[in-house]
Amino acid sequence: AQKVTQAQTEISVVEKEDVTLDCVYETRDTTYYLFWYKQPPSGELVFLIRRNSFDEQNEISGRYSWNFQKSTSSFNFTITASQVVDSAVYFCALGSTGFQKLVFGTGTRLLVSP
Amino acid sequence: EAGVAQSPRYKIIEKRQSVAFWCNPISGHATLYWYQQILGQGPKLLIQFQNNGVVDDSQLPKDRFSAERLKGVDSTLKIQPAKLEDSAVYLCASSSRRMSYTGELFFGEGSRLTVL
Repeated sequence: AQKVTQAQTEISVVEKEDVTLDCVYETRDTTYYLFWYKQPPSGELVFLIRRNSFDEQNEISGRYSWNFQKSTSSFNFTITASQVVDSAVYFCALGSTGFQKLVFGTGTRLLVSP
Repeated sequence: EAGVAQSPRYKIIEKRQSVAFWCNPISGHATLYWYQQILGQGPKLLIQFQNNGVVDDSQLPKDRFSAERLKGVDSTLKIQPAKLEDSAVYLCASSSRRMSYTGELFFGEGSRLTVL
């Protein structure tokens, strides 16, 4: 069975601090996809990134970076120089090939204070 | 481009009553999903449509939940009769056929249901 664990329920930081959100996954599939979604207070989930299981290259997009390590089944998300607008719930998700059936973690609530 | 539209945003009902939620996906998106998000949990897929056909409804409690997507556009999710444990946010999402293979979904703001 597929499973995503986000052990951090809530993280509070002060603006400009760096913060890392952890994600650990379980799957028996050899090909799979990992995702991060952001859920701001308005409620809609916003797609941030997708990584393929066969591509362990880390990715950086502005202040966001992602560290994918198959050896530890982890897909961590780092926000550099956090801003108040980064305050949201962040979900890690796992999907397999074909018609997607995403399995979401329980989310990490990030609170960035001025 | 208009996003995924959902209504109503909020609904409060008594247990054993019925409720219906409506979703209008992004124009041209063939795949439509209904997710249930209970407070403090991640979204859980209830049902997935490809055009007007059901792809996956394995986690839909069919004794009380039903969903349809007539004409492959709008969709309605119904709960009858509601139970206390149905209190949750019901999220609708859509994607194009290509995106459905990559997992990039576009979500609506959700319909928050409170069952008293």
